[in-house]
Formats: sequence, structure tokens, C-alpha cells
Amino acid sequence: GENVEQHPSTLSVQEGDSAVIKCTYSDSASNYFPWYKQELGKRPQLIIDIRSNVGEKKDQRIAVTLNKTAKHFSLHITETQPEDSAVYFCAASPNSGNTPLVFGKGTRLSVIA
Amino acid sequence: EADIYQTPRYLVIGTGKKITLECSQTMGHDKMYWYQQDPGMELHLIHYSYGVNSTEKGDLSSESTVSRIRTEHFPLTLESARPSHTSQYLCASSDGGPRGYEQYFGPGTRLTVT
Repeated sequence: GENVEQHPSTLSVQEGDSAVIKCTYSDSASNYFPWYKQELGKRPQLIIDIRSNVGEKKDQRIAVTLNKTAKHFSLHITETQPEDSAVYFCAASPNSGNTPLVFGKGTRLSVIA
Repeated sequence: EADIYQTPRYLVIGTGKKITLECSQTMGHDKMYWYQQDPGMELHLIHYSYGVNSTEKGDLSSESTVSRIRTEHFPLTLESARPSHTSQYLCASSDGGPRGYEQYFGPGTRLTVT
């Protein structure tokens, strides 16, 4: 089955710097890759996603890139702010959505003011 | 407002008790899921359902059971609670259309078994 690896597990950056979180997946049939943000005490919420027919997607300060050949995708946050501090989860959707998302283990991002 | 609801939000219960965690969604979604998560840690899928009368076990071995008698309702039952069940339980749902992959999470139930 699908396996998603996420790195790093913790990340600290200075406010204003960029943060990059990387994920790899194993199932070449996976075609949907969402990123969720979970603030302390809150539910995970989708912040951006990408489908396998697209190489990059951007939404204001966040962007996701996908390399299908290498089977990895990354989340990029520019001009980080304290409110970006949270746990971020990547996920992959195997079997065209007919089986549940497979999540990475999460990255705890701390933005230091 | 279309959302996904979980009750209770917090529960403290003694060992051996039977409990049911409620999850309802008003989003009209076919697919529903239960995850176990220690705060800020990995999400473990314990059960999912792709429609009425359809349930499957997830990756995490669990002593819980689920039912799906109505599309909008997906309760989780622990027949005999143990301290090892202490955790947060998150319900989620997604639809079967073109955006069918996006999962929406409920606010969670924080369970403590003493």
C-alpha cells in the first residue's frame, strides 16, 4: 500500500524566513496531494492541495511543488509569521480516492518572532 | 451552516465503561472517517465508511466499532474503555464528487479513561 514519509519532524525558523517541508510517497498511482495545518487545540484544516497533472500551485505565501518522477512533493511557506506556527501534515490519495488518504507523520513548525 | 459535529467534546470516564462518541455531518458527504490522534501527533485511521451499511477497519488496530445507518451519522463505540484509549478522536468526511478527496475534520473528542 501507499507509504508517505515526511521531513523534518520539527522545524524552527525566524519570522520572515522561508520554511520548506518535504514528503515522499511510494505509490505511483497516487494522484492527489493535500497539505493540512493543525493549530494547537484545533482540528486539521486543508491549506493547499495539488493534483498529479500539475507541477506547482501557489496561494499567497504558500506553494506546493510536485515531482511525479521522483515521487516527492513539498510545501513552501515564504515570509513566515508567528501565526504559521502549527503542525503540518502532508497526505497522498492512492487508488484515485477509492481508499482513504495516507498521511505523513507531521512537521511541527515554530516561527520565532 | 454545513459542518461536521462531534459530541461530547471532552469525556472523562472510568475503566470498563461503554462509551459512544457521536459524529454527524451536514455536508451531504458519502465518506466518513475516524482518526485517533494524541495532541499534535500522527493521525491514525481507525475506521472508515464509504456509504450507508458500509464500514471498514483502518490501519490502527482498535477495540472500537462503528456503524453507518444514516448518511450523516457515524458513531464510534468502545465496549469497555481502558486507559490505553485515552486520546483525541477526530471524525472526518469527504464527498464522492470531483472534490471527493478533500477531507473535512470535526473538532474532536478528547477522551480520558481513568
